[in-house]
Parts: sequence; C-alpha cells; structure tokens
Amino acid sequence: QVQLVQSGAEVKKPGSSVKVSCKASGGTFSIYAASWVRQAPGQGLEWMGTITPIFGTADYAQKFQGRVTITTDESTSTAYMELNNVRFEDTAIYYCARVRAAGISYFDSWGQGTLVTVSS
Amino acid sequence: DIQMTQSPSTLSASVGDRVTITCRASQSISTWLAWYQQKPGKAPKVLIYKASTLESGVPSRFSGSGSGTEFTLTISSLQPDDFATYYCQQYDTYWTFGQGTKVEIK
Repeated sequence: QVQLVQSGAEVKKPGSSVKVSCKASGGTFSIYAASWVRQAPGQGLEWMGTITPIFGTADYAQKFQGRVTITTDESTSTAYMELNNVRFEDTAIYYCARVRAAGISYFDSWGQGTLVTVSS
Repeated sequence: DIQMTQSPSTLSASVGDRVTITCRASQSISTWLAWYQQKPGKAPKVLIYKASTLESGVPSRFSGSGSGTEFTLTISSLQPDDFATYYCQQYDTYWTFGQGTKVEIK
C-alpha cells in the first residue's frame, strides 16, 4: 500500500506563494494520478487539481485556474502543489491524494495534510 | 460543474442504530461515486467506490447503493468508531465532494 508523506506546515504572507510536496513510498504516481484537495477550518473538502503523469496532463478546478500549478518529479515519486498570490482565505489544510487509476477514478490513498496559514 | 448535495448535514444516532446518508448529483454520474470517512485531525479514508464496492479492509456494516443522481451510504449497526464526518465524491467529470454529513453521538 502506498504511503504519501507531505511537507511541513507553512506560514505565508498575503501575495506570496506556497509550494507543498507529497512523496510516495511503496508506490508511484507514474501509472496513477495525483490530486490536491484542501479543507478550510471547519469546512468541507474542495478539489483543487489533478496531474496524470502518464498522459502528461494537469486539470484544475476553475476556481484555482491561473493560480495553482501541480507537478510531479518521477525520479523521486514526489508531487508538488504551488499556489500563487495567496490570500487570507487560502488558510487551510492541503491534502495530496493518489487517484486509483490514470484518468478519472477515486482517491485511494491520502497524505497526512499540510497546514498553510496566511497571515500578515 | 457537477454539484453534490448531501443530507442530512448532521445526524444524531446511538450505537447499534442503522444510519443512512443520502447524496444527490446535479446530473447523472452513472455509478462514479465514492464515499469517504473523516475523523477530526485526520485525512479522509475511502470506504466505498463505484457507488457500491467496498474498499478492501472496510467493515461490511458499510454499504452503498444508487446510480444516476441518487445515492445512499448505509451503516447497518453504528459502532463507536463510526462517529465521524462522511463525504460523497463524484468522479464522472473531474471531482466534486458533497458538503459532508457529521454523525454525532445521540
């Protein structure tokens, strides 16, 4: 069973960028896909985007288009999510998740979450 | 975008109760639906995929049904470990989550 380990908590100022990593051990993203989901304090789950390395494609939720970039480094089995021009309302826990199959499928493994706090 | 609506938002129940959570999609998603359980401070965990297929290792008291736009998650006999928040997710067109259903102790 793949384990996803995310980078540590971040504190960012409004207008800056944040980059969160997600390393897969015991598996890979290369024949699957990696998604990012966020959860604001006390709120529900919100899909941000998904990268499918085997297709060389990344899809993003319309809400985040132009502000988020998801990439993978297959040599280290690591996925990254970079969010630009962060705002106070971007304060949330950010999760990576593995998509069960390349293309569209459900999320079968999740990282532990990374808290990103936007504060002046 | 496909919208997912869960009901109820909160459910109070006792150990041993049969619990049902409903999820409605704004358009047909066939059976491309998953259910997740999330406990406070933890990442979500998949329970059911393709509307009714139990993920490996998930207790058989969990079951899912439905197709098209109407889906249900049923817990046949609520256990202490089941008090959590449950989310449905469509994966027919990209991904969308329902707003969640919190199952509380009555």
